[in-house]
Amino acid sequence: ETGVTQSPTHLIKTRGQQVTLRCSSQSGHNTVSWYQQALGQGPQFIFQYYREEENGRGNFPPRFSGLQFPNYSSELNVNALELDDSALYLCASSRFNLIGGKADTQYFGPGTRLTVL
Amino acid sequence: AQTVTQSQPEMSVQEAETVTLSCTYDTSESDYYLFWYKQPPSRQMILVIRQEAYKQQNATENRFSVNFQKAAKSFSLKISDSQLGDAAMYFCAYFSGSARQLTFGSGTQLTVLP
Repeated sequence: ETGVTQSPTHLIKTRGQQVTLRCSSQSGHNTVSWYQQALGQGPQFIFQYYREEENGRGNFPPRFSGLQFPNYSSELNVNALELDDSALYLCASSRFNLIGGKADTQYFGPGTRLTVL
Repeated sequence: AQTVTQSQPEMSVQEAETVTLSCTYDTSESDYYLFWYKQPPSRQMILVIRQEAYKQQNATENRFSVNFQKAAKSFSLKISDSQLGDAAMYFCAYFSGSARQLTFGSGTQLTVLP
């Protein structure tokens, strides 16, 4: 069983640039969630994708956007990067059950460390 | 909105001893899940244990067990026979029955002393 993978591992950008982070979900999972983890803090929910549509969103501005593909992999795009966007970005996959409408346990990838200069 | 509080920023334990990490949460929902994740220096968030709120029995996974007190909204993690590999940041997390997100606490940094 393949786990959650993310790319790239590290990324350095300058303020105002745009960035795309990628995530491949675990085998058998159909839902991908993205989290931002600032240094020394717990992760904060950005959004979740299910069936290629945004399925919930945290308190993040519209310059944070995403995609989910038919194979359930996902991208996180951040436009107009700001210094405060420097963080570890975590992707988590899970299985959303239509019966009962409940999402199963989330399993995390290794993260992408984004530094904005 | 749900909140999760971890009041112990740092804890230490002697190898082979037992340590308990505390977590409290606030919610008005009746159907939810609670988790403990560990995050070693490698950064990967690893699931330690999961508890469904409707289950009265405390979850156990090998050396890891929880003390789930639903009325008190408390969810502590006990690590028995601590090993050097248990050293990590431990996060308590809340997940409601219909939610799309995990809500995390601020974490407890656990050091295991040889």
